[in-house]
Amino acid sequence: GNSVTQMEGPVTLSEEAFLTINCTYTATGYPSLFWYVQYPGEGLQLLLKATKADDKGSNKGFEATYRKETTSFHLEKGSVQVSDSAVYFCALKYHTSGTYKYIFGTGTRLKVLA
Amino acid sequence: DGGITQSPKYLFRKEGQNVTLSCEQNLNHDAMYWYRQDPGQGLRLIYYSQIVNDFQKGDIAEGYSVSREKKESFPLTVTSAQKNPTAFYLCASSIEWDGLYEQYFGPGTRLTVT
Repeated sequence: GNSVTQMEGPVTLSEEAFLTINCTYTATGYPSLFWYVQYPGEGLQLLLKATKADDKGSNKGFEATYRKETTSFHLEKGSVQVSDSAVYFCALKYHTSGTYKYIFGTGTRLKVLA
Repeated sequence: DGGITQSPKYLFRKEGQNVTLSCEQNLNHDAMYWYRQDPGQGLRLIYYSQIVNDFQKGDIAEGYSVSREKKESFPLTVTSAQKNPTAFYLCASSIEWDGLYEQYFGPGTRLTVT
């Protein structure tokens, strides 16, 4: 079936370090892919998205490229800040049997130390 | 400012009582969703609504009920039949059901049942 798999956390980094959070997916057809961020006690906020293969989503220094050949959508940032500490969710939306479905990964907690 | 509001932020109830969580959006979105989030887990879909006066069960609908009498409102009732109701509840909306659009989330309601 369709699924999203994220690397387990927590990921702990020092400020200004390079970040990669892996996300791979299984889906029929041509899904859209998303990264959401959740700060403590809050709802999810859309961080970036990509709607077709080879698209690169970017926002606030974060980037992710939709790789159909490897079914991946890894999140990267060149230099993390303490304020980036949060939980990051990879998600996809796909079309199946006349309807649309969302699937969210289990989330990866990022801790950035000063 | 457009957005999704959920109230209250924290809710406490005694076991055996029904409780209703509020979700309102002024984004003019057609589709609305309710998710449940448990510690260390991803989001699980409870109910969704594609349009006013219509709603469908998600993956974990047992013990929950919803209504969609107005486009901007999608309240969730947690009934006494829900075996483990303590969780963080998230409401979301999207422009349309039929399309690969992202979801926008409210700030969430943390429900504690003792």
